[in-house]
Amino acid sequence: EAGVAQSPRYKIIEKRQSVAFWCNPISGHATLYWYQQILGQGPKLLIQFQNNGVVDDSQLPKDRFSAERLKGVDSTLKIQPAKLEDSAVYLCASSLLAGGPSDTQYFGPGTRLTVL
Amino acid sequence: AQTVTQSQPEMSVQEAETVTLSCTYDTSENNYYLFWYKQPPSRQMILVIRQEAYKQQNATENRFSVNFQKAAKSFSLKISDSQLGDTAMYFCALNQAGTALIFGKGTTLSVSS
Repeated sequence: EAGVAQSPRYKIIEKRQSVAFWCNPISGHATLYWYQQILGQGPKLLIQFQNNGVVDDSQLPKDRFSAERLKGVDSTLKIQPAKLEDSAVYLCASSLLAGGPSDTQYFGPGTRLTVL
Repeated sequence: AQTVTQSQPEMSVQEAETVTLSCTYDTSENNYYLFWYKQPPSRQMILVIRQEAYKQQNATENRFSVNFQKAAKSFSLKISDSQLGDTAMYFCALNQAGTALIFGKGTTLSVSS
């Protein structure tokens, strides 16, 4: 079974530029999460999708971050404009059935963003 | 608010020895799940073990086992017969079914020969 795919693996941009990350969850997984992991800390949720609807985006900085999940499969996360403090690893995770006993989240390899 | 605390920023162990990583948490929910994830330098977050709060029996997965103390809100991970490949950052995490994970700050484990 293929895992969660993310691209790119690395991205370096100047502040005030825009950037987009892509995630393809495990086939059949209804729930998709984007987490931000700042160096030396644990990941923190940015946004959670159930199929193509948003379940939780309370911690997403909506003035600069946006995300969508087209047709309930792939998802993109965009930052515009980027700030220095956005330098982090962006992790995508998916789970089969939100709320069920098999609700284990599987993570992709992450995208390391450096904002100069 | 739910919190997860890992009080050991770094730990080291020799190959073949046993090591225990500590985790405490706080939640007002009755039904929740606890996890240990491993993150090697490659950054891929890998599930090590999970525990359902309603189960009294401690979870085990090969060399990995947990000591789940619900009343004390403690969830430690024991790694037996440590291997070089166990070198990684270990995160304790908590959630309710269908919600995002709340992570601790992590413990860096170094296994040496």
